[in-house]
Amino acid sequence: DTGVSQDPRHKITKRGQNVTFRCDPISEHNRLYWYRQTLGQGPEFLTYFQNEAQLEKSRLLSDRFSAERPKGSFSTLEIQRTEQGDSAMYLCASSPDGTVREQYFGPGTRLTVT
Amino acid sequence: SQQGEEDPQALSIQEGENATMNCSYKTSINNLQWYRQNSGRGLVHLILIRSNEREKHSGRLRVTLDTSKKSSSLLITASRAADTASYFCATDRSYNNNDMRFGAGTRLTVKP
Repeated sequence: DTGVSQDPRHKITKRGQNVTFRCDPISEHNRLYWYRQTLGQGPEFLTYFQNEAQLEKSRLLSDRFSAERPKGSFSTLEIQRTEQGDSAMYLCASSPDGTVREQYFGPGTRLTVT
Repeated sequence: SQQGEEDPQALSIQEGENATMNCSYKTSINNLQWYRQNSGRGLVHLILIRSNEREKHSGRLRVTLDTSKKSSSLLITASRAADTASYFCATDRSYNNNDMRFGAGTRLTVKP
């Protein structure tokens, strides 16, 4: 399967714990995006990478959130000191360079903070 | 904040009928895209229309774009039960097309 993969698919954690999610984009895609989606809503943009450079971050990305893409391939999203409001689906997407911005989404990681 | 706003929020039709969903947005755009999401899954890209295009077709899908009204519509013809899903429009703002904004979606149910 050469699509976008995310791991884990589900994560249950207690409030205050740290969690880390991984995204493996389509191999030839330089662009990588993280989104958060809550029930009944569309995805909300969190951050964007061009290769290993994090070029844009949303104001939604508080200082408890950090994302990396160290070698321009896979990416990690870490949430420190999780809060119940962090419970959501975290989606990763990738796209190739160019003016067309069709994004290919992974299946998401569903986070539940208890 | 969400850029696109879909209308209606929910739509229920019989198999074989056509389904029309609308999307309005606020700022100038380069492209507008429609995505489908089956329950609890990732999004699948359906179709992209550029700001200088007015209509586009892909199989049973027809998308229109009216930049003067800042609106788009997605028509699914001859719907099938498998079309049951949430449909989202997404726009990238013309001055910052790295930041794609999604609406809250239209939940389509196609009854067999």
